[in-house]
Amino acid sequence: GEDVEQSLFLSVREGDSSVINCTYTDSSSTYLYWYKQEPGAGLQLLTYIFSNMDMKQDQRLTVLLNKKDKHLSLRIADTQTGDSAIYFCAESTNSGYALNFGKGTSLLVTP
Amino acid sequence: DAGVTQSPTHLIKTRGQQVTLRCSPKSGHDTVSWYQQALGQGPQFIFQYYEEEERQRGNFPDRFSGHQFPNYSSELNVNALLLGDSALYLCASSLMGQGVYEQYFGPGTRLTVT
Repeated sequence: GEDVEQSLFLSVREGDSSVINCTYTDSSSTYLYWYKQEPGAGLQLLTYIFSNMDMKQDQRLTVLLNKKDKHLSLRIADTQTGDSAIYFCAESTNSGYALNFGKGTSLLVTP
Repeated sequence: DAGVTQSPTHLIKTRGQQVTLRCSPKSGHDTVSWYQQALGQGPQFIFQYYEEEERQRGNFPDRFSGHQFPNYSSELNVNALLLGDSALYLCASSLMGQGVYEQYFGPGTRLTVT
């Protein structure tokens, strides 16, 4: 299938902003998602964006989409130690159908 | 409001055996998808069930089969288990016919094949 690529690891200090990046190859991707997975747990839907949008903000989270470059980013403002987790980028060509995930970015927030 | 539930939490099986995993969708949801997450990897789509039928399937062999019941709950069956089937199996539910089909995941079943 088409690829979704993410950097594997990011470390930030508490209170700083975190930016997690993702690139995808499927030009027909219509929906793009960010999920969070804490150790030993399932996936928590954080936010999503339609391909006809450039940006979406939801409290501390800001999603930016560059459709031309097929680049998606997730910015977490005022990062807290509780934000330490693995963050997955996922895309779908049709909402409700199969999600295609990246390998995840492990975010470590240090005091 | 009950979220997605899965059972069992953990399971240990021997190579060649068969296993059945169960999922109850979030209240009000009618669609169930199954994913396999190997250690250190992102989830891989297995298949999706809606109206008791398999609607879409990922790149998994026929050893992986499923079922959806009239109450929207679902089972994932894996026959002739291989060591490589060891993984976290995640169930996700959603509501078809809604404008945005947000998929909500359960906590998963950790399957170990020895």
